[in-house]
Formats: sequence, C-alpha cells, structure tokens
Amino acid sequence: DAEITQSPRHKITETGRQVTLACHQTWNHNNMFWYRQDLGHGLRLIHYSYGVHDTNKGEVSDGYSVSRSNTEDLPLTLESAASSQTSVYFCASGPDDYGYTFGSGTRLTVV
Amino acid sequence: AQSVTQLGSHVSVSEGALVLLRCNYSSSVPPYLFWYVQYPNQGLQLLLKYTSAATLVKGINGFEAEFKKSETSFHLTKPSAHMSDAAEYFCAVTRSGNTGKLIFGQGTTLQVKP
Repeated sequence: DAEITQSPRHKITETGRQVTLACHQTWNHNNMFWYRQDLGHGLRLIHYSYGVHDTNKGEVSDGYSVSRSNTEDLPLTLESAASSQTSVYFCASGPDDYGYTFGSGTRLTVV
Repeated sequence: AQSVTQLGSHVSVSEGALVLLRCNYSSSVPPYLFWYVQYPNQGLQLLLKYTSAATLVKGINGFEAEFKKSETSFHLTKPSAHMSDAAEYFCAVTRSGNTGKLIFGQGTTLQVKP
C-alpha cells in the first residue's frame, strides 16, 4: 500500500546544530508540503514543492530549507536549530481522490 | 491568496447533541475545501472534502459539511455527538486543480461531555 512516512518520530537536538527531518511518500504525488504545528497557531506552512527541483517558501520559512531531487522525498533542514523551532512537524502530499495525506509527524525539541 | 478562519477555538457539546464547527474561507479563485480531524498525539485524518461537485459533502463518522459560496462558509456538522468525536478539527483551503498551497485554520478543539 502507498504511504507517507516521516523520520525520526522524536528528535532532541541542541541549539545551533543542523537537523534534517525526512519525508518519504510512495503515492507518486507531485505536491509535497511541510508544516509545523504549535498550540494556538494550527498548522503553518513552512515550504512546499510542486515537483522535482521545485521548492517554494511558505509563511514561516525562515531558518528552514528543503530540496526535491526526486518525486518521493522532501527533506526539511533546520540550518541552525533554535529553541523557537521546537514544534511538531508534519509532512503532506497530494492531492488525489483522498485529498492530501499526512505523515504521523516528527516531534522536535531544541534544547 | 487563500485563508481560513475557524470561529471558536474550543467547542463543548453534550453527548447526543448537534455538533457545529464553523469555517469561513477567503479565496480569489474557486476553492477546494477540506476538514481534517486530529486525535491526541496522532496525525491528521481527512474527514471530508469539497472539490466543486455537490455542495453538501458527506464524510466519515457521520460528519457532513455544506459549501455556501454566498457566505464563503464550509461549516462542519454532525447530528449527534459521540464521546469518540472529541478531537481537534481543522478546516483547510486550496485553489481548485492540482497545484496550490493547502492553508489551514487555527483549529477547533471539540469537547464532548457525557
């Protein structure tokens, strides 16, 4: 069955370190998205991609980057982790008849 | 550009009562609209979606939503709340077609009292 997976599920890192969160989908979707979820803010769009080699900034892109070298993967990199980036991160892909499919999330803590 | 406003960050209903979660959208182009549910410590699950077909959309778990262009609304309803409906609900909008950012509202936490 097709799926979208995120790894790791939990990550603790230190301020200033570079961190990469993985997102892998086997739906063959062109569109992929990264969101962060914080209490009181819902899901805010970080970066998104409409296809290979296409990347776009979302509303909260500062301090984050993505690259899309193939259809399946959209890794999210925190260049220099900050405490303000402690959050739950969700990856999504779509659309299809099921709308957009979300991964299970990565809980990132920056200490 | 698209945006979503969910009215009421917390809604509390009694078991068996009507559930009404409000969503208003702004879009300069014909929208696609979605409702997602998130149970504690889980990801997002699609409840239902509007993609320019029928304006009354039925979803899973007895939920439905009606697209009202004149009111720019897409409110979520369920005739009779169940304890298992307690969760956070998100309304989202994108433009019609296969490209577009998926933009979320701030979410509404539904509490169901016995």
